[in-house]
Amino acid sequence: GAVVSQHPSRVICKSGTSVKIECRSLDFQATTMFWYRQFPKQSLMLMATSNEGSKATYEQGVEKDKFLINHASLTLSTLTVTSAHPEDSSFYICSATGSNRYEQYFGPGTRLTVT
Amino acid sequence: GDSVTQMEGPVTLSEEAFLTINCTYTATGYPSLFWYVQYPGEGLQLLLKATKADDKGSNKGFEATYRKETTSFHLEKGSVQVSDSAVYFCALSGAGNQFYFGTGTSLTVIP
Repeated sequence: GAVVSQHPSRVICKSGTSVKIECRSLDFQATTMFWYRQFPKQSLMLMATSNEGSKATYEQGVEKDKFLINHASLTLSTLTVTSAHPEDSSFYICSATGSNRYEQYFGPGTRLTVT
Repeated sequence: GDSVTQMEGPVTLSEEAFLTINCTYTATGYPSLFWYVQYPGEGLQLLLKATKADDKGSNKGFEATYRKETTSFHLEKGSVQVSDSAVYFCALSGAGNQFYFGTGTSLTVIP
């Protein structure tokens, strides 16, 4: 149980285009979803926290107009990287909490490469 | 604020060696503690957890004990295998259920 999926697993896009990444909780209702960014050989950096039906809360330094987060249902959150640039290339990981709010379940990650 | 300090790597061990990866934390209240493992190119997988003082989490031969007196949650395994090569993250879930991660420790096990 408590499986989180992400799609796509890898994406390559051209500079200036937008990319959408989906995060789904497959077998539970996710009251809260989190989006992280991980640079090579570094730890996870929390970008934003989203609750179903409300606006995401962004961490300091994260541009909310560039990284659009939508949490429209209890099983789906999306992260859209708008007008992507090469410096946005990274590994993006989502996670979700269900009824056990102290535990997060992680998706497998999405590797974004902007050329 | 809450934070996690994790032993820096990389760590290289021979197969069947004993593993310890140190993790200490700073938190207000009573956090839950976790170890996650990340294999190359993949996301994080929960390895084990402990939710209160003196709890011992264990999985796949790995163990960690929640020590409130030393604010530690060290990861141990008695005999590592090549397949254990990965990056290990210590984490805590504190106030507001926000997660705080350590910097990760890369482990390489050589045959």
